[in-house]
Amino acid sequence: GENVEQHPSTLSVQEGDSAVIKCTYSDSASNYFPWYKQELGKRPQLIIDIRSNVGEKKDQRIAVTLNKTAKHFSLHITETQPEDSAVYFCAAFPTGGADGLTFGKGTHLIIQP
Amino acid sequence: EPEVTQTPSHQVTQMGQEVILRCVPISNHLYFYWYRQILGQKVEFLVSFYNNEISEKSEIFDDQFSVERPDGSNFTLKIRSTKLEDSAMYFCASSPHDPNTGELFFGEGSRLTVL
Repeated sequence: GENVEQHPSTLSVQEGDSAVIKCTYSDSASNYFPWYKQELGKRPQLIIDIRSNVGEKKDQRIAVTLNKTAKHFSLHITETQPEDSAVYFCAAFPTGGADGLTFGKGTHLIIQP
Repeated sequence: EPEVTQTPSHQVTQMGQEVILRCVPISNHLYFYWYRQILGQKVEFLVSFYNNEISEKSEIFDDQFSVERPDGSNFTLKIRSTKLEDSAMYFCASSPHDPNTGELFFGEGSRLTVL
């Protein structure tokens, strides 16, 4: 099955700086890569996703890049704000969906004022 | 905006007891899921459900677990004979499409504590 590795597990950045979270996946059949933000005690919420026919996608301060050859994808948050503090999960979904979404272990992003 | 709703928000049970977690997916969605998140760990897939039957299940979803869509709106997860290690947040999710093409919408979760 799919295996998703996510790094770092904790990331602390100064407010206004950029944050980058990286994920790798193992199943070359995966073709859908969402990113979820989870605030403490709350549900995961989709913030951006990318499909394997696209290399990069941007939505305001958030961008995601995908390198299918290397099987890795990254989340970039620019001009970070205190409300960006949360746990971020990457996920991969293989064609056929054998095991649903496979999530990474999460990155705890801390924005320092 | 339509939401996936889950009940109860928190349930405490004794080891060995049966628990039923309930979910109401978004009304026009076709795919339904249960995920589990042990405190401080990642979200893990349990089972997907489509067209009134299980589509896929993970190795976590053993004979202790079952799912049901008893009517047109509810989607339930039953855990028989709960164990301490079943303590976790259980998230229901739904999708209007095959998740290859669309996002999952998660409920707020049901926290299960097994004593």
